[in-house]
Amino acid sequence: KAGVTQTPRYLIKTRGQQVTLSCSPISGHRSVSWYQQTPGQGLQFLFEYFSETQRNKGNFPGRFSGRQFSNSRSEMNVSTLELGDSALYLCASSLGDSRYEQYFGPGTRLTVT
Amino acid sequence: DQQVKQNSPSLSVQEGRISILNCDYTNSMFDYFLWYKKYPAEGPTFLISISSIKDKNEDGRFTVFLNKSAKHLSLHIVPSQPGDSAVYFCAASGRGSTLGRLYFGRGTQLTVWP
Repeated sequence: KAGVTQTPRYLIKTRGQQVTLSCSPISGHRSVSWYQQTPGQGLQFLFEYFSETQRNKGNFPGRFSGRQFSNSRSEMNVSTLELGDSALYLCASSLGDSRYEQYFGPGTRLTVT
Repeated sequence: DQQVKQNSPSLSVQEGRISILNCDYTNSMFDYFLWYKKYPAEGPTFLISISSIKDKNEDGRFTVFLNKSAKHLSLHIVPSQPGDSAVYFCAASGRGSTLGRLYFGRGTQLTVWP
């Protein structure tokens, strides 16, 4: 089975711009979660989608949003980028029911200048 | 509020010896615990998990122990190999409001030297 894929792998944006990151989960997985990893804060949960519905949301401002499509692929969007948004953004997929193993993609490294 | 804590930022072990990585949690609603390994510039790789109904789970060289009363878990790697050198994250999850969300510790950098 193919693993979780994320595109793009690297991205450089300017402060004030917006960005969209994409995640394709493992085939058959219906849940997609997004995390932000920074050196100072570690892995922070952004949100989780299951069957196109947001089931859970972390403590991030409204500039961070996401969605999930009927094929379980997911996108996250960050508007009005700030320097502090520079981070590794990780997507993880799981079956989403009683199993909690989440399988991560390689991440998107976002640099905001 | 860090609900999952890994108090040792680093651990250095000789090849062939046992590596023991520790993790503490504060939320008694957590009922599932996982360990991930992460190399630089890659996503975390799932290693092993344990449900709160068990106190031990083994998979090859990796064993996870759970002490619910102490809210403590540990990962044992025996024998340690140089390829095990990576950052290890402990994570926890539960039902209800935590569904779909993993709470991570800050990680422990394991270095296995020859």
